Amino acid sequence: RKEVEQDPGPFNVPEGATVAFNCTYSNSASQSFFWYRQDCRKEPKLLMSVYSSGNEDGRFTAQLNRASQYISLLIRDSKLSDSATYLCVVNLFTGGGNKLTFGTGTQLKVEL
Amino acid sequence: DTGVSQNPRHKITKRGQNVTFRCDPISEHNRLYWYRQTLGQGPEFLTYFQNEAQLEKSRLLSDRFSAERPKGSFSTLEIQRTEQGDSAMYLCASSPPLENTNGYTFGSGTRLTVV
Repeated sequence: RKEVEQDPGPFNVPEGATVAFNCTYSNSASQSFFWYRQDCRKEPKLLMSVYSSGNEDGRFTAQLNRASQYISLLIRDSKLSDSATYLCVVNLFTGGGNKLTFGTGTQLKVEL
Repeated sequence: DTGVSQNPRHKITKRGQNVTFRCDPISEHNRLYWYRQTLGQGPEFLTYFQNEAQLEKSRLLSDRFSAERPKGSFSTLEIQRTEQGDSAMYLCASSPPLENTNGYTFGSGTRLTVV
């Protein structure tokens, strides 16, 4: 079983739609959680951290359920510029330091 | 530019040749990571340095791969006797000396093509 699992998509949605991505992780000792965004042939960039209480950044809402080991990202009023791959990321402190483990990513295509 | 810098951006090499990549992290970041990413996959962890000490290596890092960070600043990743399966994007990232840091900062990567 992969440490971080995501539906690879692609999710094709019209502009203005609401879209949700889900992710599960296998290591219950994981300590912090993130969503990264990656544009085609570019490096991943931090989109937002994910907290158990849920957190929002503009049109983006992230949620963590530690009991179910489940992370979600909701994008409201999607824009053409939101088209990218969204990577679910889990941070585990291994004693030697932090290590981020990435999912395979979910591809989003926002269309006119 | 205070970001993570990687060079070269692209490298095409013949199978069997050795290649070396360089990463310059953000200056106040003592942690440095190397990842590899192939098409359709997320980045996969290769190795991690805290200052000059290499603290963890993935099983993905075969004997042909070696990474160094001799003075705790820049790092190099060398691949000896390259194989076509080594073709990938090699990403370097750095983070500050805090637990549960708010994610890493990645460089733009070095795209390796082995022909």
